[in-house]
Amino acid sequence: QPVLTQSSSASASLGSSVRLTCTLSSGHRSYIIAWHQQQPGKAPRSLMKLEYSGKYNKGSGVPDRFSGSSSGADRYLTISNLHSEDEADYYCETWDRNTHVFGGGTKLTVL
Amino acid sequence: EVQLVESGGGLVQPGGSLRLSCAASGFTFSSYWMSWVRQAPGKGLEWVANINEDGSEKQYVDSVKGRFPISRDNAKNSVYLQLNSLRAEDTAVYYCARDGNGIPVIDYWGQGTLVTVSS
Repeated sequence: QPVLTQSSSASASLGSSVRLTCTLSSGHRSYIIAWHQQQPGKAPRSLMKLEYSGKYNKGSGVPDRFSGSSSGADRYLTISNLHSEDEADYYCETWDRNTHVFGGGTKLTVL
Repeated sequence: EVQLVESGGGLVQPGGSLRLSCAASGFTFSSYWMSWVRQAPGKGLEWVANINEDGSEKQYVDSVKGRFPISRDNAKNSVYLQLNSLRAEDTAVYYCARDGNGIPVIDYWGQGTLVTVSS
């Protein structure tokens, strides 16, 4: 079963960029993941699917400011030109043998 | 537009039962696996269970195996989660979610329904 590791918190200034990291456990570095955003008091929203190659597919309505990339076991979510509404929890998720696994989530604070 | 609408949450005593429902619309329901994911107060997301397109295959997280059977009715475009033998630690918002096709990570979420287990 894969394990997804995320930093518990991150912060960046309004208008700047931030890169969040999700690291796949040993033996699972090629796995596809998804990034999800959860704004305070709201349901999660799917942002994108991200492959080992760095190819990503965003959900409908996800702004161009959101992009994905990969390096080995690491999967990244980059948010450019940070808006106040980007302050949220961000979760990565993967799938293995018909079950799902979530990372612990990163709380992003926009300063 | 894909929509997932949960219902059935509420306050229940330890050892009690509840049935959660999720009504789906905006896509061909019978072509997708469906999942339930929960989130305890102040905690992260935890996948609970999923079910395949025709209901013949089901998977569960270990902590709910034997207590939370998942089912679906494709004629009603609905998926269900029966919560039995509830414990305080089952208190959470329960989300219905769609597993994507091809790459089956979750691609749509419902708004959630709160289950509180307390005496």
